[in-house]
Amino acid sequence: DGGITQSPKYLFRKEGQNVTLSCEQNLNHDAMYWYRQDPGQGLRLIYYSQIVNDFQKGDIAEGYSVSREKKESFPLTVTSAQKNPTAFYLCASRGPSEAFFGQGTRLTVV
Amino acid sequence: GQNIDQPTEMTATEGAIVQINCTYQTSGFNGLFWYQQHAGEAPTFLSYNVLDGLEEKGRFSSFLSRSKGYSYLLLKELQMKDSASYLCAVRDQGANQAGTALIFGKGTTLSVSS
Repeated sequence: DGGITQSPKYLFRKEGQNVTLSCEQNLNHDAMYWYRQDPGQGLRLIYYSQIVNDFQKGDIAEGYSVSREKKESFPLTVTSAQKNPTAFYLCASRGPSEAFFGQGTRLTVV
Repeated sequence: GQNIDQPTEMTATEGAIVQINCTYQTSGFNGLFWYQQHAGEAPTFLSYNVLDGLEEKGRFSSFLSRSKGYSYLLLKELQMKDSASYLCAVRDQGANQAGTALIFGKGTTLSVSS
């Protein structure tokens, strides 16, 4: 939907390594969000950001970190402290009356 | 706290009409979104309601009653391709939050049969 891009689509990492997932939007949206979805489950909020240089923890922030240095970009780092990192990660950006998702990144930690 | 409830599963036949309900309890309601998600894919935006009433978009309509904490998504002239999960999400600016969170229900899996 719209102009929000996540990369890569699939990512494999070894246990104990940090990994950064990219999320870029060209919709001029102020708000951006990161979610995690496990098989057969709903979306759980990890972090969100309303404006540049500001972000808030969601329900499951432990083991994750984010930055918001530019309006267009909201990268998510999955750290080695995250106990069960294998999941489908979704980034969204929100405007006044719409919110679009990127295609998602499937992270597998082996 | 926040609580968003949807039925887990629904079934319907091609050509029929189906209504998927969503009830919510939040401390700072500021709008409600509906999404469609096919298996293995990202959610696709369907609709947004912030005022009471019905919003119609082709075969899909969404209704909101803020006083009742209730919304529904209405799908008309069902097609096989409408088999998917439908997610309700509430924009919530709670008392202790800086900024506005977007909180999702667990989704309703709709199966359309011929």
